Amino acid sequence: EVQLLESGGGLVQPGGSLRLSCAASGFTFDKFAVNWVRQAPGKGLEWLSVISDNAVTTYYADSVKGRFTISRDNSKNTLYLQMNSLRAEDTAVYYCAKDSVSGSYIFDNWGQGTLVTVSS
Amino acid sequence: EIVLTQSPATLSLSPGERATLSCRASQSVSRFLAWYQQKPGQAPRLLIYDTSNRATGIPARFSGSGSGTDFTLTISSLEPADFAVYYCQQRSNRPLTFGGGTKVEIK
Repeated sequence: EVQLLESGGGLVQPGGSLRLSCAASGFTFDKFAVNWVRQAPGKGLEWLSVISDNAVTTYYADSVKGRFTISRDNSKNTLYLQMNSLRAEDTAVYYCAKDSVSGSYIFDNWGQGTLVTVSS
Repeated sequence: EIVLTQSPATLSLSPGERATLSCRASQSVSRFLAWYQQKPGQAPRLLIYDTSNRATGIPARFSGSGSGTDFTLTISSLEPADFAVYYCQQRSNRPLTFGGGTKVEIK
């Protein structure tokens, strides 16, 4: 069974940093691209970033480009999101989501999410 | 950026009724459109990809149609478990974008 488990969320002050992790199991992690998607409280879904299966290629939404960095450690089956210069508008539940086929951008499995709150 | 507009924002229906949800794209996404279901406190679940392909384990009462800029998700006969929020998503161009969602609520 595919499982994605996010961690690392919490309360952080504006301008601060946080690193999220997403531990994957139940599939061959290094064969799939993985993404971060967030959802602000009571709002819709926003795609943030993707990293290719071999970690060579990354893409970002403009809203986080230059502030967030996606990475992965295939030896640990783990995806990361380093978030710097956090703003109040970054407050959201952050989900990791696996591509159904690497590079497809069809999200067939999602984690349960981790809440990030940016507030003083 | 491709903007996806979903309508209606809220659909009030009774179990057993047919639900028709719309998603309109600001420019053509060919057939690269997916639908997700989200229940309160849960992660989204993939229902339909590439307009009309049901994801693994999705019941046949869910179907999708459309192409270009206009797409429809149809639930042929609503079950109690189907009352949720539904999002469309395009994968034609980066950045990937989602619609604002349609809430299907019990009338």
